[in-house]
Amino acid sequence: GDSVTQMEGPVTLSEEAFLTINCTYTATGYPSLFWYVQYPGEGLQLLLKATKADDKGSNKGFEATYRKETTSFHLEKGSVQVSDSAVYFCALSEGGSYIPTFGRGTSLIVHP
Amino acid sequence: ETGVTQTPRHLVMGMTNKKSLKCEQHLGHNAMYWYKQSAKKPLELMFVYSLEERVENNSVPSRFSPECPNSSHLFLHLHTLQPEDSALYLCASSQTGGRNEKLFFGSGTQLSVL
Repeated sequence: GDSVTQMEGPVTLSEEAFLTINCTYTATGYPSLFWYVQYPGEGLQLLLKATKADDKGSNKGFEATYRKETTSFHLEKGSVQVSDSAVYFCALSEGGSYIPTFGRGTSLIVHP
Repeated sequence: ETGVTQTPRHLVMGMTNKKSLKCEQHLGHNAMYWYKQSAKKPLELMFVYSLEERVENNSVPSRFSPECPNSSHLFLHLHTLQPEDSALYLCASSQTGGRNEKLFFGSGTQLSVL
């Protein structure tokens, strides 16, 4: 079945550092890929998505590129802020299914 | 504000109590979900209602009972819970248009079972 693997956290960075959170997936077809973010005390919200190979999703300075050859969708940001501290979830949806498969989540802590 | 409202935000209950969690969405979506989020564990999909039909998750104990009276409202009825059921319960909604649809989540109900 489909699966999503994320790097273990927490990831701890200083403000203005470069961020990468790795995500790889297993799917039988051509999934859509998503990054969701969960800020403290809130539910998840969509951060960005990509629906086909080589697409780049971007939002709020975050980017991720759909790499079919490496089955990856790594999240990057050039300069993180304290306000980016949150849990980040990689997810996929495949075929006719509207029900996504989520990764375990990666906690990001950014220090001033 | 995501358009998905959950009440209550916090709930403390004893193991013999009966309580219900409520979720309401104002987005015109036709699918609603219950997720359980426990510390150090993956996000767990408990139930999905699509067009008011339930998609079962056979690993969810019968002490959790969902109800979806219409496409805008979703309940999770709780009875004789165990301490390990303490978690954040998240409701979400979406359209059933296929793989490109995103989920909209509520802020969750933080449940503590004593």
